[in-house]
Amino acid sequence: QQPVQSPQAVILREGEDAVINCSSSKALYSVHWYRQKHGEAPVFLMILLKGGEQKGHEKISASFNEKKQQSSLYLTASQLSYSGTYFCGTEGYMGETSGSRLTFGEGTQLTVNP
Amino acid sequence: EAGVAQSPRYKIIEKRQSVAFWCNPISGHATLYWYQQILGQGPKLLIQFQNNGVVDDSQLPKDRFSAERLKGVDSTLKIQPAKLEDSAVYLCASSSRHQSGEKLFFGSGTQLSVL
Repeated sequence: QQPVQSPQAVILREGEDAVINCSSSKALYSVHWYRQKHGEAPVFLMILLKGGEQKGHEKISASFNEKKQQSSLYLTASQLSYSGTYFCGTEGYMGETSGSRLTFGEGTQLTVNP
Repeated sequence: EAGVAQSPRYKIIEKRQSVAFWCNPISGHATLYWYQQILGQGPKLLIQFQNNGVVDDSQLPKDRFSAERLKGVDSTLKIQPAKLEDSAVYLCASSSRHQSGEKLFFGSGTQLSVL
């Protein structure tokens, strides 16, 4: 089942912060975050596995609350390069030999203006 | 490290025609995915291969879509005959291991326009 992302779109000025949310109606094993710029392929940002860990990469971090089946992506002190569409992908546990079934949300369009 | 290669980059066809897309995953990646991304939406999984076997094709419209991965490396996705609603970007992705929690590497996609 497709995860739900919010907001659908956000416009920031350079240096401002943003939060993008992703929620699912089913139990999750992991949440993936990808960023896609116009006309380009989605690029991997991070994976969060069940356990409620928080990960970060420079000024982009994320959390995963497995009990609530939710994840949030935090962008702090946004830069112009952060502009793009952010997708969360969710998967339930399918075992070590059954592979991954990643289902993507509709995306959140982020625009960072000077 | 070379990325996922896809061709062609763009394709324009008329409805009821046939079209094929090609994908070469990252060397050594066992799992290969084909996604369909309609404008303004998230990628939707069409089919997933583990080596040259199909793991999941539950969302593939099998009356018109087919895919194969010969020798567990390259893959082709075919649409025959195409419909207007098939207009989308077709993304190929690969991952190194066949298990949950593996990140995907995407190709640049093939943008298909059906007129």
